[in-house]
Amino acid sequence: DTGVSQNPRHKITKRGQNVTFRCDPISEHNRLYWYRQTLGQGPEFLTYFQNEAQLEKSRLLSDRFSAERPKGSFSTLEIQRTEQGDSAMYLCASSLEGRGADTQYFGPGTRLTVL
Amino acid sequence: SQQGEEDPQALSIQEGENATMNCSYKTSINNLQWYRQNSGRGLVHLILIRSNEREKHSGRLRVTLDTSKKSSSLLITASRAADTASYFCATDPSGSRLTFGEGTQLTVNP
Repeated sequence: DTGVSQNPRHKITKRGQNVTFRCDPISEHNRLYWYRQTLGQGPEFLTYFQNEAQLEKSRLLSDRFSAERPKGSFSTLEIQRTEQGDSAMYLCASSLEGRGADTQYFGPGTRLTVL
Repeated sequence: SQQGEEDPQALSIQEGENATMNCSYKTSINNLQWYRQNSGRGLVHLILIRSNEREKHSGRLRVTLDTSKKSSSLLITASRAADTASYFCATDPSGSRLTFGEGTQLTVNP
């Protein structure tokens, strides 16, 4: 399968703990996006990378959130000192700039539950 | 904040019927996309229509775009039970991030 993959698929943690999620984009895609989706809502943009550069961050991305894409391939999203309000589905997407760049392909998501 | 709004929020039809979902948005766009999401899963890209296009077809899907009214519609013909899902429209006002609506929950009854 050459689609976008995310790990883990589910994460249950206690309030105050740190969590890290990983996204592996489609191999030739140079853009990578993170979104968050709560129940009954559409996804909301968090941040995106072009290669290893983080080009845009949403106001939703508080200082407890940090994302990296160190070699321009996979990306990690870390949430420090988790809060119950962080419970959501975290979606990763990738696209290829310049050709079909408008189409973002999504992974299956990581569902986070903060107790 | 959400740019798009889908209408209706929920739609229930019988297998074989057509389903029409509408989307309105607020700012100028480069393109508008429709995605499908099965319960608790990731999003699947269905179709993209560019701002200079008025209608596009893909299999049983037909999308229209009216930039003067800032609205789009998605028609699914001859629906199947497997079409049961949430459908989202998404726009890219900045050329990078997607801005999604709240979605239409479609239920196709066998």
